[in-house]
Amino acid sequence: EVQLVESGGGLVKPGGSLRLSCTASGFTFSNAWMSWVRQAPGKGLEWLGRIKSRTDGGTAEYPAPVQGRFTISRDDSRNTLYLQMNSLKTEDTAVYYCATYSSGVPLYWGQGTLVTVSS
Amino acid sequence: QSALTQPPSASGSPGQSVTISCTGTSSDVGFSNYVSWYQQHPGKAPKLMIYEVSKRPSGVPDRFSGSKSGNTASLTVSGLQADDEADYYCGSYAGINNVVFGGGTQLTVL
Repeated sequence: EVQLVESGGGLVKPGGSLRLSCTASGFTFSNAWMSWVRQAPGKGLEWLGRIKSRTDGGTAEYPAPVQGRFTISRDDSRNTLYLQMNSLKTEDTAVYYCATYSSGVPLYWGQGTLVTVSS
Repeated sequence: QSALTQPPSASGSPGQSVTISCTGTSSDVGFSNYVSWYQQHPGKAPKLMIYEVSKRPSGVPDRFSGSKSGNTASLTVSGLQADDEADYYCGSYAGINNVVFGGGTQLTVL
């Protein structure tokens, strides 16, 4: 069974940075493409980007709204996915989900971690 | 404003069928068969219900089915049950560095 557990969320001031982690189990993490999605309170889903498996190049791609501020990386030895977020804004307040990525979309999701950006 | 358009709400009585639409463009829904549907209960993570337009993951009841015509995808829930009451989101591949989602449909079982 695919299991994804996010951690690292919390309260951060505007302009600050935060790194989220996602620990995976139940599948071969090193072969998987992975992604991040967020959901602001009471709002819909927003795509944050994905990273390929190392054998497929290991590169990450991002949508324009977060390009340059967010960085996705992975440590296959730890079965862990990361999301580094810099220059945080109040509008980045959301629940952040990691998910496996296949067939062009996120498939299996973790339970999410809440990030609150506030002074 | 979400890239894909869904009705904000839908409803049906137990045992009935309900269909939720998801309208995009030729750059997303109409571009490929990479369309998915997710169920989200309050306070929970999204759960994959349909992928590649009409495929069901293991464990998802066959009461859930998906289809697509042109730039519009649809999710049909047959034999409505109380536990089907949730928010439903569609998602679509939209290019090499993009996935787009609908704004969500709140399904009420009357």
